[in-house]
Amino acid sequence: GESVGLHLPTLSVQEGDNSIINCAYSNSASDYFIWYKQESGKGPQFIIDIRSNMDKRQGQRVTVLLNKTVKHLSLQIAATQPGDSAVYFCAENGDAGNNRKLIWGLGTSLAVNP
Amino acid sequence: EAGVTQSPTHLIKTRGQQATLRCSPISGHTSVYWYQQALGLGLQFLLWYDEGEERNRGNFPPRFSGRQFPNYSSELNVNALELEDSALYLCASSSSGSYNSPLHFGNGTRLTVT
Repeated sequence: GESVGLHLPTLSVQEGDNSIINCAYSNSASDYFIWYKQESGKGPQFIIDIRSNMDKRQGQRVTVLLNKTVKHLSLQIAATQPGDSAVYFCAENGDAGNNRKLIWGLGTSLAVNP
Repeated sequence: EAGVTQSPTHLIKTRGQQATLRCSPISGHTSVYWYQQALGLGLQFLLWYDEGEERNRGNFPPRFSGRQFPNYSSELNVNALELEDSALYLCASSSSGSYNSPLHFGNGTRLTVT
């Protein structure tokens, strides 16, 4: 028979534009949040993390924003490049209090058009 | 510095057989984590090993087991394979001394059960 897979949310941007990937987390007890990038055929690669005592953290070309009031996390990528094309995952540590049992989102696929 | 390495990269088994997947962490990392990444389901936490001991396990049946060796490498065993065990199995490592530190992932073992 024919199988039907779930389709990831997809964000399509033009090369050079800024990208914003959003994530809603579930557990108000989470105090550590992390973004990973997964390219086809590879394992997830760490991008940036943030603790709940912060609402913004910047890295190289990336910024993570945390809004605890509405339990929302976003990843901003400046001057998006073709190499940024990948699936992006957010994760929270839930009530574990550490990174041992991260709770992962389903991912957002970012497509960068040249 | 070598990253997390996993073997084999691909594994094909038939239903009812056993599968053994291997992982070598980053040098100096003592914690090893196993995740299952099935299509459309994101990353699901399987097991956490630290200093040779199983510290936590996710919501998986007992036929998923593993161990960590004195050199901190790890093995994941899946007994009585079922079709739905087909997935990408990811291993990650971290420094256990850090309360919250990023996990570093390998590129996974693609297990196909026919």
